[in-house]
Amino acid sequence: DVKVTQSSRYLVKRTGEKVFLECVQDMDHENMFWYRQDPGLGLRLIYFSYDVKMKEKGDIPEGYSVSREKKERFSLILESASTNQTSMYLCASSLGGLSNQPQHFGDGTRLSIL
Amino acid sequence: AQSVSQHNHHVILSEAASLELGCNYSYGGTVNLFWYVQYPGQHLQLLLKYFSGDPLVKGIKGFEAEFIKSKFSFNLRKPSVQWSDTAEYFCAPLSPLVFGKGTRLSVIA
Repeated sequence: DVKVTQSSRYLVKRTGEKVFLECVQDMDHENMFWYRQDPGLGLRLIYFSYDVKMKEKGDIPEGYSVSREKKERFSLILESASTNQTSMYLCASSLGGLSNQPQHFGDGTRLSIL
Repeated sequence: AQSVSQHNHHVILSEAASLELGCNYSYGGTVNLFWYVQYPGQHLQLLLKYFSGDPLVKGIKGFEAEFIKSKFSFNLRKPSVQWSDTAEYFCAPLSPLVFGKGTRLSVIA
């Protein structure tokens, strides 16, 4: 079974800090994704990657960056955390062929920015 | 612009009631249709998917969905819900780029 592991379940950081959220998948999937999940807004795509060192912006990339140096690992970076980035962050992966493959999700990281 | 609409934000049903959750999308091209479910405290998981063929697809736990191309809809149904179906349901006809906002289902005994 596919396992998508997010490094932290809960994280508390301060405004202005640089924050790293890590995600690892164990099924050799080409595609990886970062979403944020907010009540009433559903899932919104921040960034995705379809190959090592490749990245594409999603709907809400502002204030975020990503890194994919290895196929199994996709990192989300908050360059200077702000309170409006308090949210649940979900990582997902899927096989190649962007739109017709189901995604496998991690358990999420609940990030609080104080 | 691509968009997805889930008609109900929160649905409350008694056990054994029938369920239908609406999902409409706006996109003129080929779509690959998914429903995901998130049980309390768990990660999102695939409920069912449709790519082609019979527009009525079966998923896990007795769920099914019907793709009506002319109506740009992909509604989720279950004839008789159980307490264990309490969860949040996400329509993703434009996955992975666009998800619906989710419908929270509460099933009461």
